[in-house]
Amino acid sequence: NAGVTQTPKFQVLKTGQSMTLQCAQDMNHNSMYWYRQDPGMGLRLIYYSASEGTTDKGEVPNGYNVSRLNKREFSLRLESAAPSQTSVYFCASSARINTYTGLNQPQHFGDGTRLSIL
Amino acid sequence: QKEVEQNSGPLSVPEGAIASLNCTYSDRGSQSFFWYRQYSGKSPELIMFIYSNGDKEDGRFTAQLNKASQYVSLLIRDSQPSDSATYLCAVNPASGNTPLVFGKGTRLSVIA
Repeated sequence: NAGVTQTPKFQVLKTGQSMTLQCAQDMNHNSMYWYRQDPGMGLRLIYYSASEGTTDKGEVPNGYNVSRLNKREFSLRLESAAPSQTSVYFCASSARINTYTGLNQPQHFGDGTRLSIL
Repeated sequence: QKEVEQNSGPLSVPEGAIASLNCTYSDRGSQSFFWYRQYSGKSPELIMFIYSNGDKEDGRFTAQLNKASQYVSLLIRDSQPSDSATYLCAVNPASGNTPLVFGKGTRLSVIA
């Protein structure tokens, strides 16, 4: 009963290095999301994928890229890490919006990746 | 800019009391409302969701929604020290299949 799995759980990078954060869900959800969470800032949406094959920018997309590899997997890439990207990153997924009622389904979160950039 | 506002707290309540957490939202057409609990160093965990005006109860938790006044609240009865956490309110914008908008959360401290 894994739900949403993120790897790695912790990572330390040097400025300028690149890395990819991995996320996979086993709930057959259509939509997936990447957030960052900083003290006092709440959850901020970086990118999301409403369905396989689509991705859209969120509130803070600069410095990041994403790939929706298949229905299960949604990765987040930092091409050239900067100290300002030090944060906790959460991946989440949700079922498709109910097209009859228009009601969103709850998002389910992974355990997070704690990323430090020196 | 669609906004969800929460008092950051901390909200301190004695053990056994009722904790009342409030959330207001700006998008009048919003239809889906969610409460998440986040312990320090952990990920957000869904507690409840509510779609219709009125109250929805689940154990010690009650969600209350008033769309006319654009607020949603979470009541925790018989508060326990284990309820000490940050509570996040999330609202869907009215514009269809778009991500939830999260408030910054209210930190609750239950004093034994």
